[in-house]
Amino acid sequence: AQKITQTQPGMFVQEKEAVTLDCTYDTSDPSYGLFWYKQPSSGEMIFLIYQGSYDQQNATEGRYSLNFQKARKSANLVISASQLGDSAMYFCAMRYPGSARQLTFGSGTQLTVLP
Amino acid sequence: GAGVSQSPSNKVTEKGKDVELRCDPISGHTALYWYRQSLGQGLEFLIYFQGNSAPDKSGLPSDRFSAERTGGSVSTLTIQRTQQEDSAVYLCASSLASGKQVDNSPLHFGNGTRLTVT
Repeated sequence: AQKITQTQPGMFVQEKEAVTLDCTYDTSDPSYGLFWYKQPSSGEMIFLIYQGSYDQQNATEGRYSLNFQKARKSANLVISASQLGDSAMYFCAMRYPGSARQLTFGSGTQLTVLP
Repeated sequence: GAGVSQSPSNKVTEKGKDVELRCDPISGHTALYWYRQSLGQGLEFLIYFQGNSAPDKSGLPSDRFSAERTGGSVSTLTIQRTQQEDSAVYLCASSLASGKQVDNSPLHFGNGTRLTVT
């Protein structure tokens, strides 16, 4: 079965510092996609960044980047220059060809940015 | 443009009653998904609709749960004979279909319906 694991239930970071949120996955499919979402306390799910398994470059979107290590099956989210508004729950998710296009989500990491 | 719209935003019901949750996806999005999120937990897949194809119901937890999508647009999730363990936030999402082997289209989520069964 395909599985997404986020081992950090909670993380703290000082404002303006960088933080890495871990995500590992387990799949035997060579083709898959990895997504990161942010869920603030308001509850909305906000798409942040996408990484395809065949992408040659690590994905970047503004202050968000993916540290994609295919051999280790990890896709860690790096947030640079943390801001107070980054405090939220962060979810890693995977889509693979056999999933009928649904996303399988990890359990999430609660990030708190300290002033 | 308008995002995914869900109604009601909050629903309190008594155990044993039926409830209907509505989702209006982004115009032009052919794929529609329902997820459930219990307090402090991740997202649990329930059901997926794609165009006119038969829905993928593999995530529905019991036969008390059903969903339909009329005219390829609005969807309704129905829970019959609600139980206290059905209390959760029900999230609807929609997406385009990229046509790639692994679809890179992100899911766009609504704000959810918070269901409380007393």
